[in-house]
Amino acid sequence: GNSVTQMEGPVTLSEEAFLTINCTYTATGYPSLFWYVQYPGEGLQLLLKATKADDKGSNKGFEATYRKETTSFHLEKGSVQVSDSAVYFCALNNNDMRFGAGTRLTVKP
Amino acid sequence: GAVVSQHPSRVICKSGTSVKIECRSLDFQATTMFWYRQFPKQSLMLMATSNEGSKATYEQGVEKDKFLINHASLTLSTLTVTSAHPEDSSFYICSANGQNTGELFFGEGSRLTVL
Repeated sequence: GNSVTQMEGPVTLSEEAFLTINCTYTATGYPSLFWYVQYPGEGLQLLLKATKADDKGSNKGFEATYRKETTSFHLEKGSVQVSDSAVYFCALNNNDMRFGAGTRLTVKP
Repeated sequence: GAVVSQHPSRVICKSGTSVKIECRSLDFQATTMFWYRQFPKQSLMLMATSNEGSKATYEQGVEKDKFLINHASLTLSTLTVTSAHPEDSSFYICSANGQNTGELFFGEGSRLTVL
């Protein structure tokens, strides 16, 4: 079946540090891949997405590349800010939506 | 962009009562909506897939008689927590597929507290 495995948190970084949150998936066919973010006290919102192999999704300085050969969609940001503190969810859509467990990121000044 | 509205955002009820949560797609038709439950500091757990005009498909371990789902129109799905108990207290979130995009749009969530 379809599933997503996401790096466990929590992750604590200093401001301007480099961020990587790993995400790998299992699916048949060609799913769409997403990263969602949940800021404290808010609902989920889409951060970025990629719909086919080698696509790179990017938004607000975050990037993730759809790697079919490694079935991965790792989230990266070169320099995190305090305002990036949130929970990040990797997800796939392959006729149904599956989420990773979520990774809580805390960025300290 | 597509918007999904969920109501109520917060509800407190007594044990044994039933609570209905509505999920509406405001500017698009959603043939499929999804209901999730989120426990504190945990991920979303898919409860069921709601299909317009047919019975919902429940995930394993989710009691269909406990969590009644109705998707009577292309823009509205409802989740009714029947005979609620304190262990049903949770954050419930609905979502709908954007038309032809594969993107999922989420409601704001409903926090249920059962006393």
